[in-house]
Amino acid sequence: KAGVTQTPRYLIKTRGQQVTLSCSPISGHRSVSWYQQTPGQGLQFLFEYFSETQRNKGNFPGRFSGRQFSNSRSEMNVSTLELGDSALYLCASTAEGNGELFFGEGSRLTVL
Amino acid sequence: QKEVEQNSGPLSVPEGAIASLNCTYSDRGSQSFFWYRQYSGKSPELIMSIYSNGDKEDGRFTAQLNKASQYVSLLIRDSQPSDSATYLCAVNMGTGTASKLTFGTGTRLQVTL
Repeated sequence: KAGVTQTPRYLIKTRGQQVTLSCSPISGHRSVSWYQQTPGQGLQFLFEYFSETQRNKGNFPGRFSGRQFSNSRSEMNVSTLELGDSALYLCASTAEGNGELFFGEGSRLTVL
Repeated sequence: QKEVEQNSGPLSVPEGAIASLNCTYSDRGSQSFFWYRQYSGKSPELIMSIYSNGDKEDGRFTAQLNKASQYVSLLIRDSQPSDSATYLCAVNMGTGTASKLTFGTGTRLQVTL
């Protein structure tokens, strides 16, 4: 069974640009959640999607958004990038939306 | 006050010893608790979940939960060098969906030969 796949794995952007990250969950998993990981703040919840609906959102500004498609694949977008957005963005999936998450390898974003 | 607190370590234990990792949380209404392991440069992987007071054993790992004292711990018996990693405690605090976890900043474990 294939794991959670995230693309791209690495990317470099400049301030003011926007970025879109993609996540394909484990087959059969309908819940996809996104986390940001930084050395200073650790892992922080961004949002969760279940059956194409955002079920919950963390305490991030509106520049952070996401969506989920009918095949459960998810994307997150960050607009007007700031230096502080440099982080590892992790996508995780689970079958029924419990806390037993399966993480992808992450997308490492560097903002210059 | 941080919602989920862990000692950042490093916690150094000799090979074959028991490693004890601790975590406290602030929300008494928390329902479910998880331990994730993260190797350097890798993503977190779930090693234990626990939902009710007491102990839960899985191989060399034992998770312990005490809701009255608001702490959860992880014991690793017969520690191996391959157990050297950062261990993240995660709590679902009963708000939002069960996938919304609050993570501690992790305890770095070093198992020495």
